[in-house]
Amino acid sequence: GQQVMQIPQYQHVQEGEDFTTYCNSSTTLSNIQWYKQRPGGHPVFLIQLVKSGEVKKQKRLTFQFGEAKKNSSLHITATQTTDVGTYFCAGNSGNTGKLIFGQGTTLQVKP
Amino acid sequence: DTGVSQDPRHKITKRGQNVTFRCDPISEHNRLYWYRQTLGQGPEFLTYFQNEAQLEKSRLLSDRFSAERPKGSFSTLEIQRTEQGDSAMYLCASRETYTEAFFGQGTRLTVV
Repeated sequence: GQQVMQIPQYQHVQEGEDFTTYCNSSTTLSNIQWYKQRPGGHPVFLIQLVKSGEVKKQKRLTFQFGEAKKNSSLHITATQTTDVGTYFCAGNSGNTGKLIFGQGTTLQVKP
Repeated sequence: DTGVSQDPRHKITKRGQNVTFRCDPISEHNRLYWYRQTLGQGPEFLTYFQNEAQLEKSRLLSDRFSAERPKGSFSTLEIQRTEQGDSAMYLCASRETYTEAFFGQGTRLTVV
C-alpha cells in the first residue's frame, strides 16, 4: 500500500538557523499537504501543492513538490522559537480520497 | 464553534470493555476521516467516509474497530474488547474533496 516517509525524525537547531524536512512517497501523488502540530495540539493545515515542480512560499517557509510528484520538502529560513512543533506531510494518491501522513519531523529551536 | 468537535476528550476504560467515540465534522464537508496517533508518530489512517459511504478501511485495523456515519453527518468509532495496545489519541478530520483537512482536538483513550 501507499507509504509516506519523512526525514529526519528530529532536528534541533539554534534560533536563526535554517531547517529542512523531506517527504517521500512510494507512489505518485495527486497532491501533497503539509501540517504543523504543536505539542499537545492537533495537526493544523499549512499548505497544499498540486502541480509537478510547484514551489510555494509563506513568509519564511518554502514548500516544494518534486517533478515526479513523489517527493516534497519544507524549508524554514532563520528559525524562530515559534516554529517549534512537528511537521507532517500528507499525500493523496490517485483518485482515492485516502490521506496518508508521514511520521513527521519534530523541530526543536534553542533560543 | 464551527470546527470539528470530538467527544469525549478523554476516556479511561478497563481492558475488555467497549468504547465509542463521536465526531461532529464541519457541516458542509463531505469527507470524514479517523486517525490514530501515538506519541512520536504521525496520524495513522484508520478509515474514511464520503458522505455516508465508508470508502476505505485500513487493513491494519482489526475487526474490533467499526465506524459509522449515518446520514453523512456525525460519525462514531467503536472499539470492542479494548486492549492496552489501543491506548492512543483518536483524531477525526473533515474536508471537502481534495482540500485541506480540519482536525478535531481528539479523544485520548487509555486502556488500563
